[in-house]
Amino acid sequence: AQSVTQPDIHITVSEGASLELRCNYSYGATPYLFWYVQSPGQGLQLLLKYFSGDTLVQGIKGFEAEFKRSQSSFNLRKPSVHWSDAAEYFCAVGARGGYNKLIFGAGTRLAVHP
Amino acid sequence: NAGVTQTPKFQVLKTGQSMTLQCAQDMNHNSMYWYRQDPGMGLRLIYYSASEGTTDKGEVPNGYNVSRLNKREFSLRLESAAPSQTSVYFCASSELRSNQPQHFGDGTRLSIL
Repeated sequence: AQSVTQPDIHITVSEGASLELRCNYSYGATPYLFWYVQSPGQGLQLLLKYFSGDTLVQGIKGFEAEFKRSQSSFNLRKPSVHWSDAAEYFCAVGARGGYNKLIFGAGTRLAVHP
Repeated sequence: NAGVTQTPKFQVLKTGQSMTLQCAQDMNHNSMYWYRQDPGMGLRLIYYSASEGTTDKGEVPNGYNVSRLNKREFSLRLESAAPSQTSVYFCASSELRSNQPQHFGDGTRLSIL
């Protein structure tokens, strides 16, 4: 069965610092991988996605993520965090083929200090 | 461009009451989904509709029913609300293929006393 683990429940960084949010997945093959962001009181917004090809994918708002098959990981990074990046971040995996069903991680809440 | 619209945004119910959450999308997507979000548990799929005329159970379907009214609309019904169903409910839509991202509404915050 598919599963997604986000080991960090809360992370606090200073504005301008770099950021890495971890995501590990369990799946028998290479899944589709997504990162979503949720601002308070809002729905989820897609940051980026990995389907195939280049393992480093670029997303919106200056985010990028790297797929590492050997580590079953899809970590999200940003070189310099802005106060507006404070939100909750969710990693999700989808199975290739079949219907479009996603499994979400529990989320990482990011706080940004000025 | 509304995307996915959910109504109502907030609701308080008493145990045993019934309620229907409404969802509509204007992106001509084939597939629609209902999730619940609870602290520390991410989003869990309640029901989904791969295409108009079909519905299937997700991870946590007990206590819920759904109706795919047409291609645009997908409703979620609580027949007899229980405090354990206090949650934030999200509707999403996407194309049928599994490599397509899902688009989310802003959620319905439901409290059951």
